[in-house]
Amino acid sequence: EPEVTQTPSHQVTQMGQEVILRCVPISNHLYFYWYRQILGQKVEFLVSFYNNEISEKSEIFDDQFSVERPDGSNFTLKIRSTKLEDSAMYFCASSHQAGQETQYFGPGTRLLVL
Amino acid sequence: GENVEQHPSTLSVQEGDSAVIKCTYSDSASNYFPWYKQELGKGPQLIIDIRSNVGEKKDQRIAVTLNKTAKHFSLHITETQPEDSAVYFCAASRGGDTGRRALTFGSGTRLQVQP
Repeated sequence: EPEVTQTPSHQVTQMGQEVILRCVPISNHLYFYWYRQILGQKVEFLVSFYNNEISEKSEIFDDQFSVERPDGSNFTLKIRSTKLEDSAMYFCASSHQAGQETQYFGPGTRLLVL
Repeated sequence: GENVEQHPSTLSVQEGDSAVIKCTYSDSASNYFPWYKQELGKGPQLIIDIRSNVGEKKDQRIAVTLNKTAKHFSLHITETQPEDSAVYFCAASRGGDTGRRALTFGSGTRLQVQP
């Protein structure tokens, strides 16, 4: 069964450094998402991406965040200058097409900012 | 924006008993309600979902009910097994062709099934 994959599984970085989290969505999916989950808290929406542009973003997704689909398979989340409060589990998800909302989540990247 | 409340935060049942988790939502335009199961160290896995044109949906031991008037939906697990132990999240979105597909999650319910 096709799965969303994410790399790396864990990332430790120093405050102020840039990180790039990578995702490979399910191959025939057209909508891509990033969510985050701070330890012990609920999953929060960051951004959705369709047709090579952002279709929706939350107030969390400020100027330090950006997303990109650099080729036909990868979907990346870049955090330009990490802060301590960016420490969280970051999940990528994908869904197929309009009218089929089911989102399939990857295993996540645990980001720790020191 | 949408706000999803989920209860209880923890639930302990004996193997074979039923478990019920309840969620309420605030946005009357929400029309898609998935339930996810999250095991330790893993991403959320969809277990069942329901759309607003349906009041109830079943898949083996799992069922979901939706009351659009009251803006609440519930997950029912019958004949619970130890492998059902996990954190369960409800979520809501406007979905469809609106472009507003962002899922708003509840705070989660930690279900413990005692053997």
